[in-house]
This record gives sequence, structure tokens and C-alpha cells, in this order.
Amino acid sequence: LAKTTQPISMDSYEGQEVNITCSHNNIATNDYITWYQQFPSQGPRFIIQGYKTKVTNEVASLFIPADRKSSTLSLPRVSLSDTAVYYCLVGPSNDYKLSFGAGTTVTVRA
Amino acid sequence: SAVISQKPSRDICQRGTSLTIQCQVDSQVTMMFWYRQQPGQSLTLIATANQGSEATYESGFVIDKFPISRPNLTFSTLTVSNMSPEDSSIYLCSVETSRSSYEQYFGPGTRLTVT
Repeated sequence: LAKTTQPISMDSYEGQEVNITCSHNNIATNDYITWYQQFPSQGPRFIIQGYKTKVTNEVASLFIPADRKSSTLSLPRVSLSDTAVYYCLVGPSNDYKLSFGAGTTVTVRA
Repeated sequence: SAVISQKPSRDICQRGTSLTIQCQVDSQVTMMFWYRQQPGQSLTLIATANQGSEATYESGFVIDKFPISRPNLTFSTLTVSNMSPEDSSIYLCSVETSRSSYEQYFGPGTRLTVT
């Protein structure tokens, strides 16, 4: 599985846009990029997944440049409830295992 | 999507004892996974549990310590055996519902404290 590198923590304020960049230099041709969100005392929750260019859903946007060696999760107009740990994962593995890195702790302040 | 419940939600156990954690899914799924999340850490995969076959364990995890059952397509158990304080963690199960994506659904976790 391709290794990922993301910032340990980020601080933001309510209403701002938060962008978390993940590096995955060894991404393979058939790998997708997936982001999960984890609130305290809960299991991770799937946010978004993409292969190239841009993907947008009701929660976030995912930007993937042409070389796919990095990706950026964008959270528009964050609120206090967006305070969580965000994990960037790259795969597949043939057996659908997920490999979680350290994640980015995003803290949103009033 | 899938809704997953775990029992117990938390427990405090004495060293040397065993605890069995249950994972129930509201739909039939082929692949179920068990993770451990130590305090302040990321998730580590313990094993993959597919119905009708033996669980597959990751490096550092063995069946004698973490026996797993998968009797049907909606249920699995993980037992933490002969516990020590180092086993204090959150244990989570997850399921994969679609072979066309890598989206897994996670249970709320079981917070285990070993004294």
C-alpha cells in the first residue's frame, strides 16, 4: 500500500475553508484516494473518494493533480462540529484492507 | 450503506481474563474487519473475517490472543484473551459493502480498559 503523509494538526475558525494536503508519492496506477473522518468516541466515517481531477459531494471536495502524487481535501465553511481527525488513504489492496496513517487533527474554533 | 452495532460499548476488565466483543450488521456483508485503536493513535488492522473461512491475521496479531468467529453474514465476534493493561484500546469492527469502491462502514467501537 502506498504510504501517505499529511500534517499532524490544523487549526481553523468557523466559516473558513480548510484544506488538508496529503502526499502519496508512490501511488500506483490502480490506486484510489479516500478520506475518512473520525470524531472522538466514534468509528471513522467515509467522506470522499477520487481517482483524478476533482470530486465534490455534499460534505467536501477532493482535488487531485494530474501526477496524482498528492491530493487536497477541502472542507468549505467549517463549523465547530467539523473538529475531527481526517485520514487520507491510498489503495486498493486486493483484499480491501485499509491502512490508516496518523491522520490530521482539525480543530475548529469559534 | 450499513449500520453496525457493537457490544459492549465499554468494559473494565481484570488482567488475565478474556472479553468477547460482538459486531452486528444490519445487512449481509462478505468482508468484516477488526481494528484496534490505542489511546491517541491511529487504527491498526487486527484481522479480516470472512464468512465460511478462517480469519486472516495481520503481522503482530495471533489467533490465540484474538480469536475471531464469523458464523454468518451479519455477525462476528472478537475475543481479547488473557488480557494485560497493554490491551487497553478501542476495538472497532468494520464492513465493506461494495466491491466497486473502498468505502468501509465502522461500528462505534468498544472501549476496553484492563486493570
